[in-house]
Amino acid sequence: NAGVTQTPKFQVLKTGQSMTLQCAQDMNHEYMSWYRQDPGMGLRLIHYSVGAGITDQGEVPNGYNVSRSTTEDFPLRLLSAAPSQTSVYFCASTRGGNADPGKLFFGSGTQLSVL
Amino acid sequence: DQQVKQNSPSLSVQEGRISILNCDYTNSMFDYFLWYKKYPAEGPTFLISISSIKDKNEDGRFTVFLNKSAKHLSLHIVPSQPGDSAVYFCAASARTFGNEKLTFGTGTRLTIIP
Repeated sequence: NAGVTQTPKFQVLKTGQSMTLQCAQDMNHEYMSWYRQDPGMGLRLIHYSVGAGITDQGEVPNGYNVSRSTTEDFPLRLLSAAPSQTSVYFCASTRGGNADPGKLFFGSGTQLSVL
Repeated sequence: DQQVKQNSPSLSVQEGRISILNCDYTNSMFDYFLWYKKYPAEGPTFLISISSIKDKNEDGRFTVFLNKSAKHLSLHIVPSQPGDSAVYFCAASARTFGNEKLTFGTGTRLTIIP
């Protein structure tokens, strides 16, 4: 039972490079989201999607793009990496609705360093 | 502006005793509260939740208490076990903003001493 799968687990970028963090879930969840975790800051919402073709901004969206062409996949794109984007990134999914409010299933994370 | 606060970055508790983790929030729109547990190199996992219409929810060794007037919630773990050593995040959501959009606290690292 794979759940939420994130790749890569580790990545080092140079300032200005672009890359895509991959996220896939096999639970047929409608809702998917991306968070970043920084020391002393907790987890902060970057972007989220309530279904295929629908995305919206979270608390810290600047410098990131997302798209949702299928229910399963929700990639996060860094357009021009900056040192401030050094962080651990988590993808999460949930069924949505009132059945289990807020009960997110998280991937194992991508540790990104921007030099 | 930190809307969900965990003021204790770390906590050490003897095995078998009670662990109490605290969380405060400022946004009165929050109506659902959750605790997540995180081990190193893993993603957070859901632990327990409580709706704002309740003041207590229990699941085995874990109990969450909500004091709406004080905007305070706490997680009690009894008895504490070595496997409970992890970082615990408090989170909150508001039906108005979407139940799935969580605001997280900064986390408390719990260490259970054998």
